[in-house]
Amino acid sequence: QQQVKQSPQSLIVQKGGISIINCAYENTAFDYFPWYQQFPGKGPALLIAIRPDVSEKKEGRFTISFNKSAKQFSLHIMDSQPGDSATYFCAASIQYNTDKLIFGTGTRLQVFP
Amino acid sequence: GAGVSQSPRYKVAKRGQDVALRCDPISGHVSLFWYQQALGQGPEFLTYFQNEAQLDKSGLPSDRFFAERPEGSVSTLKIQRTQQEDSAVYLCASSLNSAGGKNEQFFGPGTRLTVL
Repeated sequence: QQQVKQSPQSLIVQKGGISIINCAYENTAFDYFPWYQQFPGKGPALLIAIRPDVSEKKEGRFTISFNKSAKQFSLHIMDSQPGDSATYFCAASIQYNTDKLIFGTGTRLQVFP
Repeated sequence: GAGVSQSPRYKVAKRGQDVALRCDPISGHVSLFWYQQALGQGPEFLTYFQNEAQLDKSGLPSDRFFAERPEGSVSTLKIQRTQQEDSAVYLCASSLNSAGGKNEQFFGPGTRLTVL
């Protein structure tokens, strides 16, 4: 019940294209859903996050879509750039608890020029 | 400070050795987390501190793992009698406060532990 399932495992996109990564969860107590970006040799860095009271959040080229009834959320990267090439992790937590993050398994994104 | 720092960045240990990994959180951050990231996997929660109190250690895989944060700032993760399955990147994260608010976790670069 604590798992967060993420797909695809890897993704190859042409420059300017849209990258879409999907996640699903089981625990309905989760109330905070961040996406992290990780470059090789670096720690994860927060990209964008959403709470279940909204269905979509957009920050620049990055959009989270959230479907509470389906217990799914996704990251959309518009106009993908080579600099976006990294591993992306979805995560979930219960904010009134310890805030510990439950991470998905990651998606390795490669954007080719 | 500029961010979360961890040391050493790389550690090679022989099986059976004890290791100590250090985390310096962002100054003033109340909450501190340790995660373990195996190769090609997402980080997995190990333990959580609020100031000096260890409030959650449910993710520690065995009693060989021990963490402390005695003065509520710097934290040390100690692994006794290391095993090959302990090989991973150990990530430390800190956040301003864990009181149910918008508490972004800031991650350090990690310590890559290799047990031979």
